[in-house]
Amino acid sequence: DAEITQSPRHKITETGRQVTLACHQTWNHNNMFWYRQDLGHGLRLIHYSYGVQDTNKGEVSDGYSVSRSNTEDLPLTLESAASSQTSVYFCASSREGQTDEQFFGPGTRLTVL
Amino acid sequence: AQSVTQLGSHVSVSEGALVLLRCNYSSSVPPYLFWYVQYPNQGLQLLLKYTTGATLVKGINGFEAEFKKSETSFHLTKPSAHMSDAAEYFCAVRGMDSSYKLIFGSGTRLLVRP
Repeated sequence: DAEITQSPRHKITETGRQVTLACHQTWNHNNMFWYRQDLGHGLRLIHYSYGVQDTNKGEVSDGYSVSRSNTEDLPLTLESAASSQTSVYFCASSREGQTDEQFFGPGTRLTVL
Repeated sequence: AQSVTQLGSHVSVSEGALVLLRCNYSSSVPPYLFWYVQYPNQGLQLLLKYTTGATLVKGINGFEAEFKKSETSFHLTKPSAHMSDAAEYFCAVRGMDSSYKLIFGSGTRLLVRP
């Protein structure tokens, strides 16, 4: 079955370190998204991509970057981790129809000490 | 700009009681609307969506939602709550403006009392 996976599921790191969170989907979806989830804020969009070599900033993109070298993967990099980036991160993908829903991965819980 | 407001960060009901989770949206273009459910330590799962056509939409697990354009609302209901419905619920909107992005509400945690 097609799916979307994230790794690692849990990560503890130190302030200032670079961290990369992986997202892999096997649906062959062109659209991929990264969100962070924090209490009281719901899900906030970090970055998104509509295809290979395409990346766009979301509403909370400062301190994060993504790259899209193939259809299946959209890794999220924290250039220099900060305590404010402690959160749960979700990756999602969707087809290109306006009515198509997003499919979510299981999430990565990141703690920055 | 689009936005979503979910009234009540926590809603508590008794098992067997009606579930009503409120969602209001603002959008400058006709919206597509979604409800997602998140069980503990899991990702989000689609419950239902409204695109066009019938304004009463039925989803999984006995949930349904009604799109009311005049009230800019898309409230989620279930006639009889079950213990397994305890989860967090998110309403989301996408405008028909060629963007694939979703704007999410802040979520409502549903508690079901025995």
